Amino acid sequence: GAVVSQHPSWVICKSGTSVKIECRSLDFQATTMFWYRQFPKQSLMLMATSNEGSKATYEQGVEKDKFLINHASLTLSTLTVTSAHPEDSSFYICSAPPGHTAYEQYFGPGTRLTVT
Amino acid sequence: EDQVTQSPEALRLQEGESSSLNCSYTVSGLRGLFWYRQDPGKGPEFLFTLYSAGEEKEKERLKATLTKKESFLHITAPKPEDSATYLCAVLPRRYAGGTSYGKLTFGQGTILTVHP
Repeated sequence: GAVVSQHPSWVICKSGTSVKIECRSLDFQATTMFWYRQFPKQSLMLMATSNEGSKATYEQGVEKDKFLINHASLTLSTLTVTSAHPEDSSFYICSAPPGHTAYEQYFGPGTRLTVT
Repeated sequence: EDQVTQSPEALRLQEGESSSLNCSYTVSGLRGLFWYRQDPGKGPEFLFTLYSAGEEKEKERLKATLTKKESFLHITAPKPEDSATYLCAVLPRRYAGGTSYGKLTFGQGTILTVHP
């Protein structure tokens, strides 16, 4: 199957600082990537859809100025949590569909963010 | 509005005790239904895609089936290593192309625990 990586796998930052999370498709090109967050014992909540070369589309209730998404190339999307606060602590996961002939998505391993 | 409901929320089985997980869905035009497995602290792992009612897919001890309203994930003679959260997701036909290509709606998941 297709491989998606994330970096870092975990990060601890102080309140008020910004954190960047990278999502890479390693063996396929992804014009679209998705960013999710997951709270303990809950399902995935879609935050935004990242499209290469254009602005991201954010789900209702997600602050686009707080969660900056940049899809700079066909293999890389980044999520920057700006001015992080403890309530932003969560598990962030990205995913990408390999192509328009295959609808399944492949997920990255996730990034655990802890804001102190 | 697209909805996915999984039941039960949690399931405890003895090793070798076969059972089924349910995923009921409401979607305006189904393009695909997906099953994922998620281990704690990791991203979801793709298991199956089902596209049309009557379709079945198998992988080792797992078998997924699809009707027009629901999908089942049958687990035959489970082992402790099958313990995980199993997630069901649907892809509406309207998200099978364009800039929101691949946008999934997830259920809450079923936490499966298999005791030796």
